[in-house]
Amino acid sequence: KAGVTQTPRYLIKTRGQQVTLSCSPISGHRSVSWYQQTPGQGLQFLFEYFSETQRNKGNFPGRFSGRQFSNSRSEMNVSTLELGDSALYLCASSPTSGSLSQYFGPGTRLTVT
Amino acid sequence: GQQLNQSPQSMFIQEGEDVSMNCTSSSIFNTWLWYKQDPGEGPVLLIALYKAGELTSNGRLTAQFGITRKDSFLNISASIPSDVGIYFCAGRVNTGANSKLTFGKGITLSVRP
Repeated sequence: KAGVTQTPRYLIKTRGQQVTLSCSPISGHRSVSWYQQTPGQGLQFLFEYFSETQRNKGNFPGRFSGRQFSNSRSEMNVSTLELGDSALYLCASSPTSGSLSQYFGPGTRLTVT
Repeated sequence: GQQLNQSPQSMFIQEGEDVSMNCTSSSIFNTWLWYKQDPGEGPVLLIALYKAGELTSNGRLTAQFGITRKDSFLNISASIPSDVGIYFCAGRVNTGANSKLTFGKGITLSVRP
């Protein structure tokens, strides 16, 4: 069974631009959660999608948004990028919402210059 | 908000030594988890703890859910070079759908051969 895939793996953007990151969950998994990982703050929960609906949201500004498609693939969008948005963005898939069986992808390393 | 405290940020041990890591919080959590992250990869779940006082082992790893529900520890015995990585604790207050994980900032473990 293929694992969680995230594309792209690396991305460099300029302040003020927007970016879209993609996550394909493990086949059969319907929940996708997104996390931001930085050296200073560690792993912080962004949001969770299940069956195309946002189920849970962390404490991030509205510039961070996401969506999930009918095939459970998810995208995360960050608009008006700031330098502080530079981070590793991880997605995790699980069979259902709230499941502890979360499988993380390798992440997308975003650098904002 | 809820925070999980892990310290120190880095630990250096000799191959073959045991190491213990703590995770503390001012809030109560009903589930505690320990993850390991290798360079360039997402975190992988090592151990999950569901009940106060619970002691669970996974090979050379042992973790305990504190009686107060405000702390947990992870012990690695007879360390080997592949134990190198970042170890995160995570806690969850609620169970089921719409629950979310809070992560500690992680401890980077180095093992000298």
